[in-house]
Parts: sequence; structure tokens; C-alpha cells
Amino acid sequence: EVQLLESGGGLVQPGGSLRLSCEGSGFTFNIYAMNWVRQAPGKGLEWVSGISGSGGSTYYTDSVKGRFTISRDNSKNTLYLQMNSLRAEDTAVYYCAKLGDIGVIPAVVFYWGQGTLVTVSS
Amino acid sequence: DIQMTQSPSTLSASVGDRVTITCRASQSISNWLAWYQQKPGKAPKLLIYKASSLESGVPSRFSGSGSGTEFTLTINSLQPADCATYYCQQCNTYSGTFGQGTKVEIK
Repeated sequence: EVQLLESGGGLVQPGGSLRLSCEGSGFTFNIYAMNWVRQAPGKGLEWVSGISGSGGSTYYTDSVKGRFTISRDNSKNTLYLQMNSLRAEDTAVYYCAKLGDIGVIPAVVFYWGQGTLVTVSS
Repeated sequence: DIQMTQSPSTLSASVGDRVTITCRASQSISNWLAWYQQKPGKAPKLLIYKASSLESGVPSRFSGSGSGTEFTLTINSLQPADCATYYCQQCNTYSGTFGQGTKVEIK
């Protein structure tokens, strides 16, 4: 059974940093691309960042470029999102998402984690 | 960037009704479209991929169609368990843009 377990969310002040983690199990982690998708309170889904299975290709939405860094440690079956210079508008539930192939296209999310809440507020 | 527009934003129907949600892409995405169901407080769940392929374990009352820029999700014989918000997503680019969602309610 595929499982994605996120951790690392919490309350942080504007300008602060957080690192989200997502441990995958039940599948061969290093042959699947992974995404981070967020959902602000009461709002829709927004793609944030993606990484290929090897970790060699990474992608970001414009609003987080230069502030967020996606990475993965395939030896630990773990995906990360380092978030720096956080803003109030980054407040959201962040979902770890498993795609269907080693590349990030097609971007179909076959499995989602349970989500971790990030709140940016003073 | 490819924009995705869903309609309607909210839909109210009776148990047993046939329900249709439309999703339009700002440019052709071939058949690279997925549909997800999200219930309150839960992660989204994949229903349909490649516009019309039913994900394993999803009830057969759900179906998808379309190609290019126009797509539909149909729920035949709406059930109380189908109360949720439904999102389309273009999967043709790495950014995987989502539609704004359609909330389905039971009358």
C-alpha cells in the first residue's frame, strides 16, 4: 500500500523558515517524480514545486522561486521542501504528491499525503 | 501558463440525478486531463486520468470525456457519498494547473 507521510508544518513568523518532509513507502521511491501541492484555507489547489525521480530536474511556481527548494533523498525515501523568507500568503496545507512516472510530465497525481499545515503569522 | 476554468462553481442535485461538470483549458492539452474528488478536511483523490481513464477502485458511475480544450466529468446516479469538491487538472505541463473547483451538494 502506497503511503506518504508529511511532517514539519507549524506556525512561523513572516520571514522565517520551515522544512517539510514526506516519507514514502509501499513503492519504489526513486522511479517516481514527486510534487508539492498547497491549498490555502478555503481555497483551491495550487501546484508549488516538482522534482524528477532522480532529483536531477526541479521546477517551481513563480511565487516561490528563490525562496523554496525541493529536494529528495532516495536512500531515505524522503522528499523535502525547504521554505525560506515565508510570507503570510504561503499559509496553506501542503500536500506531498506522487506522480505516475519518473518525469514530472504528465503531472497526474496518483497518490496524496494527508497534508501538513503551514501557518505564517506574527 | 495554461489556465483551467471549471463550471459551475457550485451544483445542487438530487440523489439519483446525472451530474455534469465542465472544464475548459486555455489551450489544447490533448487528453492530458485529470479529475480529483476532495472531501472536507481530506486530501484529494484521483478519479479520472487521461481524460477518460477510470482510476482503479473508483465507482463506475464516474466517467470523463473530452479532448483538446473541452472536458466533462459525469456522475451517473448521484449518491450522498459524492458530496465533495471536484477539481480538474491539466497534466500536459510540469506545473499541472488546477481548475478552481466545483462543489457538489445534495438537494
